[in-house]
Amino acid sequence: DIQMTQSPSSLSASIGDRVTITCRASQSIRNYLNWYQKKPGKAPNLLIYAASNLQSGVPSRFSGSGSGTDFTLTISGLQPEDFATYYCQQSYYRLPTFARSTPPTFGQGTKLEIK
Amino acid sequence: QVQLVQSGAEVKKPGASVKVSCKASGYTFTSYYVHWVRQAPGQGLEWMGMIHPKGGITTYAQKFQGRITVTSDTSTSTVDMEVSSLTFEDTAIYYCARETAIVYHYMDVWGKGTTVTVSS
Repeated sequence: DIQMTQSPSSLSASIGDRVTITCRASQSIRNYLNWYQKKPGKAPNLLIYAASNLQSGVPSRFSGSGSGTDFTLTISGLQPEDFATYYCQQSYYRLPTFARSTPPTFGQGTKLEIK
Repeated sequence: QVQLVQSGAEVKKPGASVKVSCKASGYTFTSYYVHWVRQAPGQGLEWMGMIHPKGGITTYAQKFQGRITVTSDTSTSTVDMEVSSLTFEDTAIYYCARETAIVYHYMDVWGKGTTVTVSS
């Protein structure tokens, strides 16, 4: 399976800060990389798909970049509602049976806390 | 609106089975894959398996092979997941998620989650 590794595992920041979270894949996944926000008691929320495409309804302070094995999620101007855990997920697979590819895998998560 | 509504919380004993339901509405049920993802207490997100409702094709994570069964009912737009031989480690919140897969794949609609507690 493709392993996804996020760094850091946790991060403290202040309102208004710019923060960057990194995700590394164990092999090239081109730009098949998604980012989700997860808050306690809530379902995951898609932020970015295909590495850099902002999902409809997501604030423009969120942005993503990268290709191959290295990706970043940047939040410019942290807001109180942004304190959450963020997950990357690789989607470099063939449907419907994942033939010659591996199923979706998530990074271990990055917890963003208020400083 | 597009939504996935999941069944309510369950408490099960070790060795039992649990079935979690996910009812879709607001979109063409047979046009999208549905995945199951879980989150154990203090842990990250873990992919379990998926189904395409139109043909009923399923694929499961190797970890859960032989222990989970995902089915779909196009007449009720519902996807069910059954997990058997439960252990304490299966205590988690289970989510269903719709996958949009045109050029890229991403899970854009999620259910609110179903809490499954395994307790003796």
